[in-house]
Amino acid sequence: DAKTTQPPSMDCAEGRAANLPCNHSTISGNEYVYWYRQIHSQGPQYIIHGLKNNETNEMASLIITEDRKSSTLILPHATLRDTAVYYCIAGEYSGGGADGLTFGKGTHLIIQP
Amino acid sequence: EAQVTQNPRYLITVTGKKLTVTCSQNMNHEYMSWYRQDPGLGLRQIYYSMNVEVTDKGDVPEGYKVSRKEKRNFPLILESPSPNQTSLYFCASSFLGRGPTTDTQYFGPGTRLTVL
Repeated sequence: DAKTTQPPSMDCAEGRAANLPCNHSTISGNEYVYWYRQIHSQGPQYIIHGLKNNETNEMASLIITEDRKSSTLILPHATLRDTAVYYCIAGEYSGGGADGLTFGKGTHLIIQP
Repeated sequence: EAQVTQNPRYLITVTGKKLTVTCSQNMNHEYMSWYRQDPGLGLRQIYYSMNVEVTDKGDVPEGYKVSRKEKRNFPLILESPSPNQTSLYFCASSFLGRGPTTDTQYFGPGTRLTVL
């Protein structure tokens, strides 16, 4: 898996958009960018993933730069329940499910009331 | 409801007393995996299984055993627990080979293990 770099922590006001950056400058052409989050001591939860194009689902949007060296996860209207550690993972899909994904230290996002 | 369940959720035991943490999923997933999470070290994979009777070591397999006799169950066995196995354990499962969108991992709620 390509190494990813995320800020250790971020604050965001409730109701505002939370933009979480991730650097993955060594990502290879067939590696996806996955985002998971972990609310305090609960199991990690899948959020979104992408390869080249920007992606959006009911939880978030993922913006990947054209050179694929970085990406941003956007939570459009953050709520207090979005306070969690967010993991950005660059990993190859090999038909083997998500095996081999490496969870780093992530970004601790704190939503302020 | 689609879910991964783990039991027990909390366990305090003593060194050397064999224990098993169960994991079960109701989504007919082929792939199952065990992770441990320790402060400052993130999630580390212990063992994984691609299907029934197929298991393989992850990054930190020492001191653990697993079995996959049924598709839905993937128990984690500590034959002789030691204090350095005190940790938060997560089981996860996913489909295999159906594409990256479908093969996302679902995690269980976690088992907090303390070995005295």
